[in-house]
Amino acid sequence: AQSVTQLDSHVSVSEGTPVLLRCNYSSSYSPSLFWYVQHPNKGLQLLLKYTSAATLVKGINGFEAEFKKSETSFHLTKPSAHMSDAAEYFCVVSPTNAGGTSYGKLTFGQGTILTVHP
Amino acid sequence: GAVVSQHPSRVICKSGTSVKIECRSLDFQATTMFWYRQFPKQSLMLMATSNEGSKATYEQGVEKDKFLINHASLTLSTLTVTSAHPEDSSFYICSATSGGTYEQYFGPGTRLTVT
Repeated sequence: AQSVTQLDSHVSVSEGTPVLLRCNYSSSYSPSLFWYVQHPNKGLQLLLKYTSAATLVKGINGFEAEFKKSETSFHLTKPSAHMSDAAEYFCVVSPTNAGGTSYGKLTFGQGTILTVHP
Repeated sequence: GAVVSQHPSRVICKSGTSVKIECRSLDFQATTMFWYRQFPKQSLMLMATSNEGSKATYEQGVEKDKFLINHASLTLSTLTVTSAHPEDSSFYICSATSGGTYEQYFGPGTRLTVT
């Protein structure tokens, strides 16, 4: 079984300040973890993914996330927010096969809406 | 690479009619496609998983006779909402996996409004 909890439904930051979106997961096996971004009425865009390699993962648009097994966390960060970062962000977990590749069902967190103020 | 399209992007239909949504993998062969539903201000919920040439596997609580899924080729899956009702209004998103990595690539979504 697997589950994901995004600890904040809304996060509001000022442009140029750091972003922290929190995610905790639960999984009975080695997980693959993802962060996706969704702009209004659009599909999902993959920001970054962890699939059992380096625990600090760098993604697109300056985002990164660190897999912390002891804390069962995969928080998303960015040093400096941009207005275009305003969107909804989803933390996602899936199983990982023996080869270290994600497979099977994706389980989505509830989403965090990021607002960026000028 | 790994582009998934959906058609139509938006559709409005009358209650009681059926509507078909297409999901296509444009530059890879999708052995498995997934259909998700997203209610306003909520997360994505998996509806069903379809493998090319076989019957779809539906998640608990999803009516297979209402949401007909066909995956007749390695590049096309369709979701037909039969006898649509206003409560079926939602954002429907498909994803597809290319066999090697099993990573899911998402389509842009289809906004269905039933009046």
